[in-house]
Amino acid sequence: KQEVTQIPAALSVPEGENLVLNCSFTDSAIYNLQWFRQDPGKGLTSLLLIQSSQREQTSGRLNASLDKSSGRSTLYIAASQPGDSATYLCAVYSGGGADGLTFGKGTHLIIQP
Amino acid sequence: DTAVSQTPKYLVTQMGNDKSIKCEQNLGHDTMYWYKQDSKKFLKIMFSYNNKELIINETVPNRFSPKSPDKAHLNLHINSLELGDSAVYFCASSQASLYNEQFFGPGTRLTVL
Repeated sequence: KQEVTQIPAALSVPEGENLVLNCSFTDSAIYNLQWFRQDPGKGLTSLLLIQSSQREQTSGRLNASLDKSSGRSTLYIAASQPGDSATYLCAVYSGGGADGLTFGKGTHLIIQP
Repeated sequence: DTAVSQTPKYLVTQMGNDKSIKCEQNLGHDTMYWYKQDSKKFLKIMFSYNNKELIINETVPNRFSPKSPDKAHLNLHINSLELGDSAVYFCASSQASLYNEQFFGPGTRLTVL
């Protein structure tokens, strides 16, 4: 059974810093990995989707990498801003329909102005 | 211009009642989903529905049933509500399946008294 772990559970950094959020998964046989952000009381916003054949994806100040063999993905946020404060979730899809999607518990990120 | 919308945003009801949550997407996607996020913020997929094919997460009680009047809508019906059903329920959609990027609605906070 796939397990997804996100470390750290919470992170607080000053504005302007570059930072890395981690996502690890136990079964490397995945189809894709998606990073989301969730703001308090809101739904999830898709940030980046990495297919299993890809090594990384970039969107603006965000860069997500995927190392399937080691069961790891990182989300790199450059030049962090207070508006980046949110909970960041990764989700791994291993195939087989609904049972094959597993979310991590998220990293709660606070960017101090 | 909301891509995935849900109503109501909040739902408070008594144990034993039957309730529904509506979801609509205007993205032209083929597949829609329902998720449950519990008090610990753990997110779990409940159903995926694509072209009349319903895939159910095996852990979901049969008191929960999705109904799709058309491709753009997937409503969630819950019978005989229990205290443990209290959670935030998210609707989502994707182009074809979980191989594709998912887009989430804003969530419905259900409280069962």
